Amino acid sequence: KQEVTQIPAALSVPEGENLVLNCSFTDSAIYNLQWFRQDPGKGLTSLLLIQSSQREQTSGRLNASLDKSSGRSTLYIAASQPGDSATYLCAVRPSYNTDKLIFGTGTRLQVFP
Amino acid sequence: SQTIHQWPATLVQPVGSPLSLECTVEGTSNPNLYWYRQAAGRGLQLLFYSVGIGQISSEVPQNLSASRPQDRQFILSSKKLLLSDSGFYLCAWTLRASGSPLHFGNGTRLTVT
Repeated sequence: KQEVTQIPAALSVPEGENLVLNCSFTDSAIYNLQWFRQDPGKGLTSLLLIQSSQREQTSGRLNASLDKSSGRSTLYIAASQPGDSATYLCAVRPSYNTDKLIFGTGTRLQVFP
Repeated sequence: SQTIHQWPATLVQPVGSPLSLECTVEGTSNPNLYWYRQAAGRGLQLLFYSVGIGQISSEVPQNLSASRPQDRQFILSSKKLLLSDSGFYLCAWTLRASGSPLHFGNGTRLTVT
């Protein structure tokens, strides 16, 4: 059974730091992995989607990497800003023929000025 | 561009009352549609998903039901709410093409009293 873990559960850093958020999954046979951001009381915003054949994806200050063999993905945030404060979730799609994503419980990030 | 609308944003209902949450997607055709629930301190739970009009798959047997009367409309219902139905309900969509990202609405905060 696929399980997705995100550690740490919470993180507080000063503005300007480069950050790495971690996502681990137990079964390396995944179809793709998606990173989301969730602001308090809001829905999830899709940040990056990495297909199983890809090693990384970039969008602005965000870079997500995928290492299937080790069951890990990392979300790198460069030059963090207070506006980056949110909960970040990763989700794994186990296979092509399933519509069910398996979500981690998230990392709550606070960036203070 | 595609957008997803979900309403109401918040809802307070007494135990035993009915429920109807609505979600519509604009700017695309034949999307896959999903209802998720996010309980406090817990991860996202997939409740229902639909690959077409009238086609509903249930992930968790419970007090809720879903319907898809039109291609871009997804409705979550209950005949009689329970206290345990309280939570944050999120509608989501994705393109039929495999590997497409999942996009969420802004959610409905349901409190059953």
